[in-house]
Amino acid sequence: EPEVTQTPSHQVTQMGQEVILRCVPISNHLYFYWYRQILGQKVEFLVSFYNNEISEKSEIFDDQFSVERPDGSNFTLKIRSTKLEDSAMYFCATTLETNSPLHFGNGTRLTVT
Amino acid sequence: AQSVSQHNHHVILSEAASLELGCNYSYGGTVNLFWYVQYPGQHLQLLLKYFSGDPLVKGIKGFEAEFIKSKFSFNLRKPSVQWSDTAEYFCAVNPNTGNQFYFGTGTSLTVIP
Repeated sequence: EPEVTQTPSHQVTQMGQEVILRCVPISNHLYFYWYRQILGQKVEFLVSFYNNEISEKSEIFDDQFSVERPDGSNFTLKIRSTKLEDSAMYFCATTLETNSPLHFGNGTRLTVT
Repeated sequence: AQSVSQHNHHVILSEAASLELGCNYSYGGTVNLFWYVQYPGQHLQLLLKYFSGDPLVKGIKGFEAEFIKSKFSFNLRKPSVQWSDTAEYFCAVNPNTGNQFYFGTGTSLTVIP
Protein backbone atom coordinates (compact mmCIF):
# COMPACT_ATOMS: atom_id res chain seq x y z
CA GLU A 1 0.00 0.00 0.00
CA PRO A 2 1.40 3.44 -0.90
CA GLU A 3 2.60 5.48 2.03
CA VAL A 4 3.20 9.07 2.98
CA THR A 5 6.83 9.41 4.03
CA GLN A 6 8.25 12.08 6.28
CA THR A 7 11.81 13.08 7.02
CA PRO A 8 13.51 13.45 9.38
CA SER A 9 11.86 11.31 12.03
CA HIS A 10 13.36 13.45 14.78
CA GLN A 11 14.78 16.96 14.59
CA VAL A 12 16.42 18.81 17.45
CA THR A 13 17.04 22.50 16.96
CA GLN A 14 17.86 25.57 18.99
CA MET A 15 15.37 28.34 19.55
CA GLY A 16 15.47 30.89 16.74
CA GLN A 17 16.76 28.46 14.14
CA GLU A 18 14.94 27.60 10.92
CA VAL A 19 13.72 24.07 10.31
CA ILE A 20 12.31 22.39 7.24
CA LEU A 21 10.18 19.30 7.61
CA ARG A 22 9.73 17.18 4.51
CA CYS A 23 6.91 15.02 3.27
CA VAL A 24 6.53 12.89 0.17
CA PRO A 25 2.82 12.48 -0.54
CA ILE A 26 1.22 9.45 -2.14
CA SER A 27 1.81 10.01 -5.84
CA ASN A 28 -1.74 10.56 -7.12
CA HIS A 29 -2.97 12.52 -4.12
CA LEU A 30 -3.95 16.12 -4.64
CA TYR A 31 -4.64 17.54 -1.19
CA PHE A 32 -1.90 17.95 1.37
CA TYR A 33 -2.07 18.84 5.04
CA TRP A 34 0.16 19.54 7.99
CA TYR A 35 -1.01 18.74 11.49
CA ARG A 36 0.82 18.92 14.77
CA GLN A 37 0.41 17.22 18.11
CA ILE A 38 1.96 18.74 21.20
CA LEU A 39 2.71 16.03 23.77
CA GLY A 40 -0.46 15.06 25.58
CA GLN A 41 -2.68 17.33 23.52
CA LYS A 42 -4.95 16.89 20.55
CA VAL A 43 -3.96 16.72 16.90
CA GLU A 44 -4.21 20.29 15.58
CA PHE A 45 -4.73 21.41 12.01
CA LEU A 46 -2.09 23.74 10.64
CA VAL A 47 -2.62 24.12 6.92
CA SER A 48 -4.07 22.53 3.81
CA PHE A 49 -2.60 22.85 0.34
CA TYR A 50 -4.10 22.22 -3.06
CA ASN A 51 -3.14 23.13 -6.60
CA ASN A 52 0.11 24.70 -5.41
CA GLU A 53 -1.46 27.09 -2.97
CA ILE A 54 -2.73 27.21 0.58
CA SER A 55 -6.46 26.49 0.72
CA GLU A 56 -6.98 26.81 4.48
CA LYS A 57 -4.84 27.62 7.48
CA SER A 58 -5.39 27.81 11.21
CA GLU A 59 -4.52 30.54 13.69
CA ILE A 60 -1.45 28.54 14.62
CA PHE A 61 -0.08 28.94 11.09
CA ASP A 62 1.32 32.44 11.48
CA ASP A 63 4.01 34.28 9.53
CA GLN A 64 6.68 32.01 10.98
CA PHE A 65 5.27 29.07 9.02
CA SER A 66 5.30 28.45 5.30
CA VAL A 67 4.65 25.51 2.99
CA GLU A 68 5.64 24.72 -0.54
CA ARG A 69 6.13 21.99 -3.12
CA PRO A 70 9.55 22.95 -4.39
CA ASP A 71 9.95 20.17 -6.92
CA GLY A 72 6.47 18.78 -7.50
CA SER A 73 7.04 15.81 -5.21
CA ASN A 74 8.17 16.97 -1.78
CA PHE A 75 5.76 18.98 0.36
CA THR A 76 7.64 20.97 2.96
CA LEU A 77 6.79 22.84 6.13
CA LYS A 78 9.24 25.57 7.11
CA ILE A 79 9.38 27.24 10.50
CA ARG A 80 11.52 30.36 10.15
CA SER A 81 12.46 31.06 13.74
CA THR A 82 11.54 28.23 16.05
CA LYS A 83 10.16 28.79 19.53
CA LEU A 84 10.12 26.43 22.48
CA GLU A 85 6.38 26.00 22.06
CA ASP A 86 6.89 24.68 18.52
CA SER A 87 8.12 21.44 20.04
CA ALA A 88 5.62 18.84 18.85
CA MET A 89 5.02 15.92 16.55
CA TYR A 90 4.32 17.20 13.04
CA PHE A 91 2.25 15.00 10.77
CA CYS A 92 1.88 15.30 7.04
CA ALA A 93 -1.34 13.92 5.57
CA THR A 94 -2.57 13.59 2.03
CA THR A 95 -5.78 12.62 0.32
CA LEU A 96 -6.89 12.00 -3.23
CA GLU A 97 -9.93 14.23 -3.05
CA THR A 98 -11.65 16.50 -0.60
CA ASN A 99 -13.68 14.79 2.14
CA SER A 100 -11.81 11.51 1.63
CA PRO A 101 -9.94 9.92 4.53
CA LEU A 102 -6.51 11.30 5.29
CA HIS A 103 -3.41 9.17 4.87
CA PHE A 104 -0.78 10.11 7.44
CA GLY A 105 2.97 9.91 7.51
CA ASN A 106 4.88 8.65 10.55
CA GLY A 107 5.51 12.18 11.73
CA THR A 108 8.54 14.27 12.60
CA ARG A 109 9.24 14.88 16.25
CA LEU A 110 10.55 18.42 16.56
CA THR A 111 12.34 19.36 19.75
CA VAL A 112 13.26 23.01 20.24
CA THR A 113 15.79 23.66 22.99
CA ALA B 1 -15.90 26.93 16.62
CA GLN B 2 -16.05 23.28 15.77
CA SER B 3 -14.78 20.91 18.44
CA VAL B 4 -14.43 17.21 18.98
CA SER B 5 -14.59 15.75 22.47
CA GLN B 6 -13.27 12.41 23.57
CA HIS B 7 -14.19 12.03 27.20
CA ASN B 8 -12.14 8.94 27.98
CA HIS B 9 -8.49 9.95 28.15
CA HIS B 10 -7.09 6.65 29.28
CA VAL B 11 -8.85 3.29 29.31
CA ILE B 12 -7.44 0.08 30.73
CA LEU B 13 -9.15 -3.21 29.91
CA SER B 14 -8.43 -6.89 30.22
CA GLU B 15 -8.37 -9.02 27.09
CA ALA B 16 -11.85 -10.11 25.93
CA ALA B 17 -13.53 -7.16 27.62
CA SER B 18 -15.85 -5.00 25.56
CA LEU B 19 -14.81 -1.52 24.52
CA GLU B 20 -16.72 1.67 23.92
CA LEU B 21 -14.94 4.98 23.36
CA GLY B 22 -16.99 8.14 23.26
CA CYS B 23 -16.77 10.88 20.65
CA ASN B 24 -18.96 13.95 20.49
CA TYR B 25 -18.65 16.87 18.14
CA SER B 26 -20.10 20.31 17.82
CA TYR B 27 -21.06 21.20 14.28
CA GLY B 28 -24.54 21.84 13.01
CA GLY B 29 -24.09 20.84 9.40
CA THR B 30 -23.37 17.63 7.55
CA VAL B 31 -20.15 15.93 8.57
CA ASN B 32 -17.95 13.03 7.64
CA LEU B 33 -16.71 11.09 10.66
CA PHE B 34 -13.59 9.03 11.18
CA TRP B 35 -11.78 6.99 13.78
CA TYR B 36 -8.03 6.73 13.49
CA VAL B 37 -5.70 4.51 15.49
CA GLN B 38 -2.06 5.13 16.31
CA TYR B 39 -0.13 2.05 17.43
CA PRO B 40 3.02 2.71 19.45
CA GLY B 41 5.70 4.21 17.22
CA GLN B 42 3.51 4.21 14.13
CA HIS B 43 1.50 6.73 12.13
CA LEU B 44 -2.20 7.40 12.33
CA GLN B 45 -4.19 4.77 10.44
CA LEU B 46 -7.82 4.83 9.41
CA LEU B 47 -10.02 2.44 11.41
CA LEU B 48 -13.36 3.32 9.90
CA LYS B 49 -15.34 6.16 8.37
CA TYR B 50 -18.88 7.36 8.04
CA PHE B 51 -20.04 9.50 5.12
CA SER B 52 -23.74 8.67 4.78
CA GLY B 53 -26.20 5.79 4.83
CA ASP B 54 -26.28 3.14 7.55
CA PRO B 55 -25.24 4.88 10.77
CA LEU B 56 -23.59 1.69 12.04
CA VAL B 57 -20.28 1.33 10.25
CA LYS B 58 -17.84 -1.52 10.47
CA GLY B 59 -14.13 -1.07 10.19
CA ILE B 60 -11.00 -3.14 10.34
CA LYS B 61 -10.01 -5.50 13.15
CA GLY B 62 -13.57 -5.96 14.42
CA PHE B 63 -14.20 -2.32 15.28
CA GLU B 64 -17.49 -0.61 14.62
CA ALA B 65 -18.93 2.82 15.29
CA GLU B 66 -22.43 4.22 15.46
CA PHE B 67 -23.38 7.70 14.29
CA ILE B 68 -26.22 9.15 16.34
CA LYS B 69 -27.07 12.44 14.71
CA SER B 70 -29.37 13.66 17.48
CA LYS B 71 -26.57 13.23 20.02
CA PHE B 72 -23.76 14.49 17.75
CA SER B 73 -21.93 11.31 18.67
CA PHE B 74 -19.82 8.72 16.90
CA ASN B 75 -18.79 6.16 19.52
CA LEU B 76 -16.31 3.43 18.74
CA ARG B 77 -17.00 -0.14 19.90
CA LYS B 78 -15.42 -3.55 19.89
CA PRO B 79 -17.05 -6.57 21.55
CA SER B 80 -13.83 -8.25 22.64
CA VAL B 81 -10.49 -6.44 22.76
CA GLN B 82 -7.09 -8.02 22.28
CA TRP B 83 -3.69 -7.08 23.64
CA SER B 84 -2.76 -5.90 20.13
CA ASP B 85 -5.47 -3.23 20.34
CA THR B 86 -3.28 -1.26 22.74
CA ALA B 87 -2.97 2.10 21.00
CA GLU B 88 -4.13 5.70 20.89
CA TYR B 89 -7.53 6.24 19.27
CA PHE B 90 -8.56 9.52 17.66
CA CYS B 91 -11.97 10.64 16.53
CA ALA B 92 -12.01 13.12 13.64
CA VAL B 93 -14.73 15.22 12.05
CA ASN B 94 -14.65 16.67 8.55
CA PRO B 95 -17.44 19.20 7.84
CA ASN B 96 -18.83 18.59 4.40
CA THR B 97 -18.31 22.24 3.51
CA GLY B 98 -14.55 22.13 3.54
CA ASN B 99 -11.44 20.02 3.61
CA GLN B 100 -10.42 20.62 7.21
CA PHE B 101 -10.40 17.77 9.70
CA TYR B 102 -10.88 18.32 13.43
CA PHE B 103 -9.44 15.81 15.84
CA GLY B 104 -10.25 14.93 19.41
CA THR B 105 -7.59 14.75 22.11
CA GLY B 106 -7.34 11.01 21.74
CA THR B 107 -7.99 8.08 24.05
CA SER B 108 -5.15 5.87 25.15
CA LEU B 109 -6.24 2.24 25.37
CA THR B 110 -4.17 -0.29 27.28
CA VAL B 111 -5.24 -3.91 27.05
CA ILE B 112 -3.84 -6.19 29.73
CA PRO B 113 -3.20 -9.80 28.65
